[in-house]
Amino acid sequence: GAGVSQSPSNKVTEKGKDVELRCDPISGHTALYWYRQSLGQGLEFLIYFQGNSAPDKSGLPSDRFSAERTGGSVSTLTIQRTQQEDSAVYLCASRLTGTAYTEAFFGQGTRLTVV
Amino acid sequence: DAKTTQPNSMESNEEEPVHLPCNHSTISGTDYIHWYRQLPSQGPEYVIHGLTSNVNNRMASLAIAEDRKSSTLILHRATLRDAAVYYCILIRRAGGTSYGKLTFGQGTILTVHP
Repeated sequence: GAGVSQSPSNKVTEKGKDVELRCDPISGHTALYWYRQSLGQGLEFLIYFQGNSAPDKSGLPSDRFSAERTGGSVSTLTIQRTQQEDSAVYLCASRLTGTAYTEAFFGQGTRLTVV
Repeated sequence: DAKTTQPNSMESNEEEPVHLPCNHSTISGTDYIHWYRQLPSQGPEYVIHGLTSNVNNRMASLAIAEDRKSSTLILHRATLRDAAVYYCILIRRAGGTSYGKLTFGQGTILTVHP
């Protein structure tokens, strides 16, 4: 497809379980971002990958959160030992480059519910 | 990182122009001004961006103050489909630890009345 694809679209998990969220960016896009959006709130920055540079992990809320980007393409956000406060929509975005004049394209998000 | 300040909410009537303000008094000379919007239950979408000069595209216009400390997104004729949260963000053009990073604030909730 032409856009950013995220899977699954919805995920319900039990407290304490690990989850993996997947993001397929637009082909050729070197910049990839993850955000979290709790109900009625703004976008909370989590992590940013740019090419082969070390990712900016400054937004990850705890060491339970990690992300990787394999081969400069697909990215996986992993949340270990999920807690109820992790319930949110997780959004992924990609840009052609990290330069300031390129637009970001967002996926539809993964809605995570921790019960 | 330079911050942006937007009103929490604004209202408009259908087919009237809407001016959405954004203050960015600590903007750096290397920061581009971008606007995104998020329709209900969707991911954000790009609207427009600029550096110094005013910009127009099919969706909107962007008016940038001469000192670049503020900008205004202009929707020339609001429609019900324009009801969304509008985000004004700054993206660093080059160098530094914030290069390429996109940080969103709370945005402005735009309500359009029929």
